[in-house]
Amino acid sequence: DAMVIQNPRYQVTQFGKPVTLSCSQTLNHNVMYWYQQKSSQAPKLLFHYYDKDFNNEADTPDNFQSRRPNTSFCFLDIRSPGLGDAAMYLCATSRDSSLRNTEAFFGQGTRLTVV
Amino acid sequence: QKEVEQNSGPLSVPEGAIASLNCTYSDRGSQSFFWYRQYSGKSPELIMFIYSNGDKEDGRFTAQLNKASQYVSLLIRDSQPSDSATYLCAVNRGLYSGGYNKLIFGAGTRLAVHP
Repeated sequence: DAMVIQNPRYQVTQFGKPVTLSCSQTLNHNVMYWYQQKSSQAPKLLFHYYDKDFNNEADTPDNFQSRRPNTSFCFLDIRSPGLGDAAMYLCATSRDSSLRNTEAFFGQGTRLTVV
Repeated sequence: QKEVEQNSGPLSVPEGAIASLNCTYSDRGSQSFFWYRQYSGKSPELIMFIYSNGDKEDGRFTAQLNKASQYVSLLIRDSQPSDSATYLCAVNRGLYSGGYNKLIFGAGTRLAVHP
């Protein structure tokens, strides 16, 4: 059974039109991550939550926002998508931030296309 | 300098050979290290993790860690065509290096196992 679920799997949005990607987890993990991955590149961490504590990466554009209303759900909002935001968006979870519980489990990703 | 560096490849090995994948990291405070496999268009899946210096074996896979050299590697014995994928090295800072714990990825090494 899928434990980290991302919806939708594929999203096409218009240039400048706000879009929301969603992630849910059944693992009851404390930490949830959002990564952006472009072709042949490393997954790039955008931000992560430890419980409700939001941690933004310094180089994440303001265009990207996130919400975590409860333990199970996390959302990625792109306020004004540009062509450069087309990528695979990966949601991941881990149990907590302690040394030996940090392996991350990924959802299947959302492939975002901007037209 | 990137936090996590890997040769992009492709690394081409014949079926049945040993594939050796390497990774270096810059943050000396990093405590835990992960190898993920990613098939084209799919999300990363965890192969194994290592925390302590030395070798850790799991089936055909062996992870090796040398913290003094800031080097981690993955050996795949008896390589199969189904092992053909991109292998991502990921590093998580421990509690002792300051800042937020987060999982940082290298760009990955593409492995091609040919019959």
